[in-house]
Parts: sequence; C-alpha cells; structure tokens
Amino acid sequence: NFMLTQPHSVSESPGKTVTISCTRSSGSIATNYVQWYQQRPGSAPTTVIYEDTQRPSGVPDRFSGSIDRSSNSASLTISGLKTEDEADYYCQSYDDSSRVFGGGTKLTVL
Amino acid sequence: EVQLVQSGAEVKKPGESLKISCKGSEDSFTRHWIGWVRQMPGKGLEWMGIIYPGDSDTRYSPSFQGQVTISADKSISTVYLQWSSLRASDTAVYYCARTETPILAHIDTWGQGTLVTVSS
Repeated sequence: NFMLTQPHSVSESPGKTVTISCTRSSGSIATNYVQWYQQRPGSAPTTVIYEDTQRPSGVPDRFSGSIDRSSNSASLTISGLKTEDEADYYCQSYDDSSRVFGGGTKLTVL
Repeated sequence: EVQLVQSGAEVKKPGESLKISCKGSEDSFTRHWIGWVRQMPGKGLEWMGIIYPGDSDTRYSPSFQGQVTISADKSISTVYLQWSSLRASDTAVYYCARTETPILAHIDTWGQGTLVTVSS
C-alpha cells in the first residue's frame, strides 16, 4: 500500500494564489488519477478536481490540478483566493485494492 | 439533481449493533457504485468500502474488512452500513458517496453524513 502526504495547514490572503501538495510515498503519482475534495466546516466533502486536472461543472476555474512526476506529487492550486475557499482539502488516489486519502490540509484565508 | 440522503444521527452503547442507511434519489442508483467514508472527530477521510447495488458486488478496504458490513436493497435504492458490536472507536461521521467504478472514478455525489456516537 502507499500513503499520500499533505501539509497540515496553509494560509494566504484574499486575492492571492495558494498551492497544496500531495506526495505519493511509493509508486508513481502518474499511474493512478488523483482527485481533490473540499470540505467546509460542518459540511460534507465536494469534488473540486478529478482525474488530476478536470473540474466538475460548477467549480470555478480558479481551481486547478496538476501532476509533477519529478517530485511524485500532485498539486491543487487556487488563485484569486476568496474567504469562501477556507476549508479542508483532501487528495485521493488508489491502488489495485482500495482508494487512499491524504491526511488533509486546512486552508486559512486571512 | 442526484441526491444521497442518509439516516439520522445515532447514539449507541458499546457492544450494541447498528445499521445506517443511504438512499438514492434516482432510477440510475443501481447503475452506480456507492461507497462509505469514515471521518473520526477532528480527523481526515478514510475509505471503508463500496457496493454495486445492481448485484451487491462488495469490496472492502483492508482496514475495514471484517469490521463492518455493507449491503444494499436495490428495490428501495438504499445502501446500508452495519456493525454487529460497536466500540467507542467507531464514533465518527460516516458519509456515503456515489461513483461510477469501484476504485478509479471520482466521487460525484456525497451524502450529508451520519454522526454515530458510541458511549457508555
């Protein structure tokens, strides 16, 4: 099995850009798709990025995803930060037997 | 709009049994997979397992195999998560989640969550 490691927390000011990383411990990050989920306080998660770079309908184009083979990591970038983006963000991938979530990153917009 | 509606919060004692539910809102319910995700207090998301209501094909995450049972009743578009003997460590919010495949596809719909509290 493998792990996905995320920073515990990040913070940035409104209007700025923030990037959250997700590093895969073993196996190539490029082999299996990475999804990103947003969870606002007290709410269920929602999908903001799927299949590494795809945005579901309704998710603003301020949200983007990418893969970096050299660091074996995926990234979620949010530009033009708004206070409503303050939430926990989870990456998720999979292996042959199961899905694996990262530990989550708390984004503070201050 | 597709919706997954979960049963309400539960308070149970250690050793008791419990079955919580997740009901789909549309006819295509039996053509998607429904998974369960655990979130312990103040912690992250954990994948528990998944079922295809069309034929009840069920896959468990190794960490949850033997600890819970996932089942479905396609006639009423409902999936269940059950415990035979609860522990205090089962205290968590449980989310059901819809996806097109057991592993590869992303989750496109989440339930609202069911809080399970196990305390003596």
